[in-house]
This record gives sequence, structure tokens and C-alpha cells, in this order.
Amino acid sequence: DAMVIQNPRYQVTQFGKPVTLSCSQTLNHNVMYWYQQKSSQAPKLLFHYYDKDFNNEADTPDNFQSRRPNTSFCFLDIRSPGLGDAAMYLCATSEPQGPETQYFGPGTRLLVL
Amino acid sequence: AQKITQTQPGMFVQEKEAVTLDCTYDTSDPSYGLFWYKQPSSGEMIFLIYQGSYDQQNATEGRYSLNFQKARKSANLVISASQLGDSAMYFCAMREDSNYQLIWGAGTKLIIKP
Repeated sequence: DAMVIQNPRYQVTQFGKPVTLSCSQTLNHNVMYWYQQKSSQAPKLLFHYYDKDFNNEADTPDNFQSRRPNTSFCFLDIRSPGLGDAAMYLCATSEPQGPETQYFGPGTRLLVL
Repeated sequence: AQKITQTQPGMFVQEKEAVTLDCTYDTSDPSYGLFWYKQPSSGEMIFLIYQGSYDQQNATEGRYSLNFQKARKSANLVISASQLGDSAMYFCAMREDSNYQLIWGAGTKLIIKP
């Protein structure tokens, strides 16, 4: 089945130690998104790619970066995680137009010690 | 400015009863889509149902239906015959066709009682 895959499902890192979260998709969608979601809150968009074009939200901290080496894969890099970066990170994909919805992966729960 | 409002932070419903989750929206774009997602405690965001602004009929997907009242700018989710597995967080979201990003409501936590 076509899907969005995120690895790992759970990630524990130390304060200040760089961490990379990965996302892959078999839907062949042009747009990929990274969201941060803290407990009982709505997801907050960090950035998205439209093909290779990177779009950063204005309030996304510089500590967060992303790479999309090809259509299928997208990575979220947190250069120096702080305690406040502990959250669920959701990857999603969509086509850019029409009624297409965003399809989400299962998420990665990040714990910062 | 675009906005989604979910006025029910939490709801308790008896199993097998129907439940309505409220969602109102605000947009000046004539073309937009409305979405409902379910997020269980496992964290995965599960797409439930979609309604386009020009759709004449209310969307339905199995036990889920969307009560779309365009003039009132509301898009309530109706779950018929609720089940214990329906306990989750439910988010309403909107996407304007001029901007493919989603605007999210704050969510409603639904708990189904046996």
C-alpha cells in the first residue's frame, strides 16, 4: 500500500546533540511537510518542500533544518536540541492542488534528556 | 485572516450514541476544502473526511459524515453509532485552494464511555 513512513518512531537524544528524523513516501507526491506537535495542541508547520523548493515558516527556529534529496525522502535535522524541542514530529505529503488531502506518517516522538 | 474554531475542548459520549463535533471557519477565498482528522493516543494523524466548498452534497465516509453549512461557515463532523475505538483527538482543518497549506483548529478530545 502507498504510504508515508517515518523512522524512528521514538527517538531519545541528549541536550545539544544533533538528531535527524527521516520520512519517506511511496505516494509520489510533490509536496512534503514537517510539523511539530506538542501535547494536546494542533500541529505546527515547520517547513515544506514543493518539489525541491524549500519553504520555511517565518517562526521556525534556525535550529531546525531540512533536506529533500529526492521525491521520496525528506529529513528533519535538529542541530542542537533543547528541552523545548521534545515533541511529536509529523511528516505529511500531498499534491499541491485540487482536493488532495495531506497524508501523514505515524510520527516520531522525540525525547530530549 | 483564515481561522478554524473548535469550541469543544473535550466531550464524553456514551457508546453507540451519535456525536457531533463542531467546527466553524473563516475565509475570504471562495474555493477551499475542509478536512477532519482523527489522532489516537498513538499519535498518527488519520484522515477521515473531506468537503469541498463547491460540493453540493454533504460528504460521507462510513460512520462519518460532514454537516456542511456554507452560509454559516460551519463544517461539523458527525459520528454515528460511536465505538470505544473512536476515543481520540479530532482536528478540523481548512485549505484554501490559493494556498495548499492546512490551517488547523485546536482540536476536540472525544472520550467514548462503555
